[in-house]
Amino acid sequence: AQRVTQPEKLLSVFKGAPVELKCNYSYSGSPELFWYVQYSRQRLQLLLRHISRESIKGFTADLNKGETSFHLKKPFAQEEDSAMYYCALQLSGNTPLVFGKGTRLSVIA
Amino acid sequence: GAVVSQHPSWVICKSGTSVKIECRSLDFQATTMFWYRQFPKQSLMLMATSNEGSKATYEQGVEKDKFLINHASLTLSTLTVTSAHPEDSSFYICSARESRLFSYEQYFGPGTRLTVT
Repeated sequence: AQRVTQPEKLLSVFKGAPVELKCNYSYSGSPELFWYVQYSRQRLQLLLRHISRESIKGFTADLNKGETSFHLKKPFAQEEDSAMYYCALQLSGNTPLVFGKGTRLSVIA
Repeated sequence: GAVVSQHPSWVICKSGTSVKIECRSLDFQATTMFWYRQFPKQSLMLMATSNEGSKATYEQGVEKDKFLINHASLTLSTLTVTSAHPEDSSFYICSARESRLFSYEQYFGPGTRLTVT
């Protein structure tokens, strides 16, 4: 079965420092990968998806099929980036998302 | 943008009673809706996939007779927790997928916190 692994439960970085949230997946095919973010007391929202290859709020993520990874990166963390980040996988268009356990990012001033 | 609402946002009920949670897509039609459960400081666990006009597909380990899901229209899905017990206390989140060709984005509701006493 497909699985998404986020090895870090909590990641604390100083403001202005680079951030990398790790995500690995297990699936033999070509899934779609997503990053979702949940700010305090807000609903889950899409941050970015690998097929769009865009940068949102300074975050980027590159799908590495060889390493089955989809790490989320930002060169300079901001305090407002503090949130819960979930990596998710989707096998095909109409299948449900499979979520990792999430990583809480805390950006320290 | 697409908005998904849930009602109620929180509910407290006594053990043995049933609770209904509504999930609505406010400005789009959703052929498919998903119900998730989230325990404190844990990830979202998919409970079931709900398709308009047909029976829901439940994930392994989820009791379909306990968690009744109805998707009667393209904008409304309901989750009824029957004969609730304290262990059913959790945060329930729905998401809806827009019924548009090649549109696969899911929009999430704000969640409903259920506390069973």
